[in-house]
Amino acid sequence: EIVLTQSPDFQSVTPKEKVTITCRASQSIGSSLHWYQQKPDQSPKLLIKYASQSISGVPSRFSGSGSGTDFTLTINSLEAEDAAAYYCHQSSSLPQTFGQGTKLEIK
Amino acid sequence: EVQLVESGGGVVQPGGSLRLSCAASGFTFDDYAMHWVRQAPGKGLEWVSLISGDGGSTYYADSVKGRFTISRDNSKNSLYLQMNSLRTEDTALYYCAKGPDGDYAIMWGQGTLVTVSS
Repeated sequence: EIVLTQSPDFQSVTPKEKVTITCRASQSIGSSLHWYQQKPDQSPKLLIKYASQSISGVPSRFSGSGSGTDFTLTINSLEAEDAAAYYCHQSSSLPQTFGQGTKLEIK
Repeated sequence: EVQLVESGGGVVQPGGSLRLSCAASGFTFDDYAMHWVRQAPGKGLEWVSLISGDGGSTYYADSVKGRFTISRDNSKNSLYLQMNSLRTEDTALYYCAKGPDGDYAIMWGQGTLVTVSS
């Protein structure tokens, strides 16, 4: 099973700040890495697919990069509405797995 | 409008069984693979199972293999998860999600809560 390790687990940030969340895979997964946002009491929402491909309707301040074992989700100019948990997800091999999540708090 | 609506959750004793359903609407159901993903209270997401669009291929997390069975009825636009030999650690909110090809989950339902407790 591929283990995804996100860092940090928690981050407190101010609006307009740039935020970087990393996801490291225990073995190479190519670009089969996807990012989700989950706001409190809501279902997850897809933000980025295949490491760097944008999703229609998702604000352009969200971007992804990486391949192989190291991936990054970047949020440029953070807004208050971005307070949420963020998860990476690999579909390269079965069983599919998620990272443990990163919780963003807005100061 | 594209919708996924889960049902069938509830309280069950350890060792018991439960069948979850997910009703899909607003899209061509059999064009999409479907996932079940769960989230224990206050915890992160855990991938549970995947089924191909035609139902011919199924996959499971190690934690549920041999106990859970995923299935679908494309004539009814419905997805199912039969859960047997339930354990307290299966307590979670269970989401169904549609994935174009079994990779990313492009849309999620609201979830149905399963509580395994004596």
